[in-house]
Amino acid sequence: AQSVTQPDIHITVSEGASLELRCNYSYGATPYLFWYVQSPGQGLQLLLKYFSGDTLVQGIKGFEAEFKRSQSSFNLRKPSVHWSDAAEYFCAVGAREYGNKLVFGAGTILRVKS
Amino acid sequence: NAGVTQTPKFRILKIGQSMTLQCTQDMNHNYMYWYRQDPGMGLKLIYYSVGAGITDKGEVPNGYNVSRSTTEDFPLRLELAAPSQTSVYFCASKGQDNSPLHFGNGTRLTVT
Repeated sequence: AQSVTQPDIHITVSEGASLELRCNYSYGATPYLFWYVQSPGQGLQLLLKYFSGDTLVQGIKGFEAEFKRSQSSFNLRKPSVHWSDAAEYFCAVGAREYGNKLVFGAGTILRVKS
Repeated sequence: NAGVTQTPKFRILKIGQSMTLQCTQDMNHNYMYWYRQDPGMGLKLIYYSVGAGITDKGEVPNGYNVSRSTTEDFPLRLELAAPSQTSVYFCASKGQDNSPLHFGNGTRLTVT
């Protein structure tokens, strides 16, 4: 079965420090991948997406992610975290072969220390 | 352009009551989805639709029903509410196969 793992439930970083959120997937098909961010009481907002081509993708708010097929990973990074980045982050994976349904990871809650 | 609109934002139900969560989108998207979000569990797919008149079960469909009579609307029906259905429900839509999902702001449902 398809699955997405976000190994870190909570991460705390200092403002200005770099950030990496991990995402690993298990899929039998060529996936397309997304990162979403959710602020408290809000819906999910798309940060970035990967369909094909360049494996390093840039998103909004200074985020980027790298698709590594050999490691089945799609980790999210940001060079310098801002206090406003505190939120919950979700990795999601889909594939046409699986009916275009997205499978979501359990999420990682990011806390930012000032 | 409102995107995906969900109503109501909050609702409290008694066990055994029924209700319909409304979802409408104005982007002419073919694909629509209902997810539930529980703490530490991410989002689980309840039902989805690839176009008007077509619906299919997701990962956690028990206790729910859907219909898709128009492209715009995708209501989710709870017939006999149970405490296990206490959750935040999100409706989402997309236009193409590998497009990102556009989410509504969610409905927070409590069943007591």
